[in-house]
Amino acid sequence: ETGVTQSPTHLIKTRGQQVTLRCSSQSGHNTVSWYQQALGQGPQFIFQYYREEENGRGNFPPRFSGLQFPNYSSELNVNALELDDSALYLCASSLRGQGKGYTFGSGTRLTVV
Amino acid sequence: ELKVEQNPLFLSMQEGKNYTIYCNYSTTSDRLYWYRQDPGKSLESLFVLLSNGAVKQEGRLMASLDTKARLSTLHITAAVHDLSATYFCAVDANTGNQFYFGTGTSLTVIP
Repeated sequence: ETGVTQSPTHLIKTRGQQVTLRCSSQSGHNTVSWYQQALGQGPQFIFQYYREEENGRGNFPPRFSGLQFPNYSSELNVNALELDDSALYLCASSLRGQGKGYTFGSGTRLTVV
Repeated sequence: ELKVEQNPLFLSMQEGKNYTIYCNYSTTSDRLYWYRQDPGKSLESLFVLLSNGAVKQEGRLMASLDTKARLSTLHITAAVHDLSATYFCAVDANTGNQFYFGTGTSLTVIP
């Protein structure tokens, strides 16, 4: 059983640029969620995807967008990067309705300069 | 919006001692999760608590849930250095799609 894999592991971008982060969900999981974790804080929910549609969104602006593909993998896109977007971005997968919580990936560390 | 508070935020304890981390939340929920995070790493699932009165134990860690008091505890017994990490509780607001995480408790176990 493979876990959740994310790429890239680290990324440095310039303010105003766009970035795409990728996630492959754990085998057997059909739901993918994205979280942003700023340094020293708990993860904050960005959004969740189920059946290739957004299924809930946290308090993040529209420049944060995502996709889920038929194989349940997912992308997080962030446009017009700001310095405050610097954070660890965590992808988490789960099986909807199972109630066992998430399996988290190792994260992508994004630095905006 | 659901609020989740943990205390203490920082905990330094000697090996062999016992201690409890508390997690309070503001809205009714019967699903609570505990995670561990090592520096620079992702989150590792520790416990899944899905009903009032649920108690789970794994090694030196024991978690419990009181949904009426909106409180969960993570009890550490006879701490060892390997338990040094940041511990998060997370509450599912019964929507099935969003977890609200606490601020985390940074635990350091001193030899």
